[in-house]
Amino acid sequence: DAGVTQSPTHLIKTRGQQVTLRCSPKSGHDTVSWYQQALGQGPQFIFQYYEEEERQRGNFPDRFSGHQFPNYSSELNVNALLLGDSALYLCASSFGDRPFQETQYFGPGTRLLVL
Amino acid sequence: KQEVTQIPAALSVPEGENLVLNCSFTDSAIYNLQWFRQDPGKGLTSLLLIQSSQREQTSGRLNASLDKSSGRSTLYIAASQPGDSATYLCAVRDWSGYSTLTFGKGTMLLVSP
Repeated sequence: DAGVTQSPTHLIKTRGQQVTLRCSPKSGHDTVSWYQQALGQGPQFIFQYYEEEERQRGNFPDRFSGHQFPNYSSELNVNALLLGDSALYLCASSFGDRPFQETQYFGPGTRLLVL
Repeated sequence: KQEVTQIPAALSVPEGENLVLNCSFTDSAIYNLQWFRQDPGKGLTSLLLIQSSQREQTSGRLNASLDKSSGRSTLYIAASQPGDSATYLCAVRDWSGYSTLTFGKGTMLLVSP
């Protein structure tokens, strides 16, 4: 049973560019959450997708957008990259929208460096 | 707004020591609390999940306690080993959102042989 997978593993971009990160959830999961983890910090919630819609959003600008596909995989898009967007981007999957779900399963992350 | 604080930020101990990592949160209306391990540059591995109705959870050499009323949790690691070296993150899930988590900054642990 494959866990959460993310691609690419590493990425280097320059300021002003756009980037797309991808995530495939754990088998049987239908909810995908994205987190940003800057160096030395804990992960911060960006947004969550369920049934192909953004269900909840953290305190991130509109430059950060996403999408969920019918197979539950997801993309995170960041436009007009800033140096401060350099971070590890983590994807987490879970099942359903009930509060009784056990835990989120995290992928290995995509390391983004903006020069 | 929920805030999670972890103390200490870093810890270095010799192999074999028992140690305690601390986590505090500002809003006690949580659904559950989770401890994660993160190896350098890697994703998160869930260690222990404590529901708000529980006081502790154990897994092998790890024991996590939760005092929801005081907004505190501790992770106890017995007989530490070099392989325990990693960053340990505490995260809470509150009732206001769905399954999103609020994380602390973590405690970086180094266990030397």
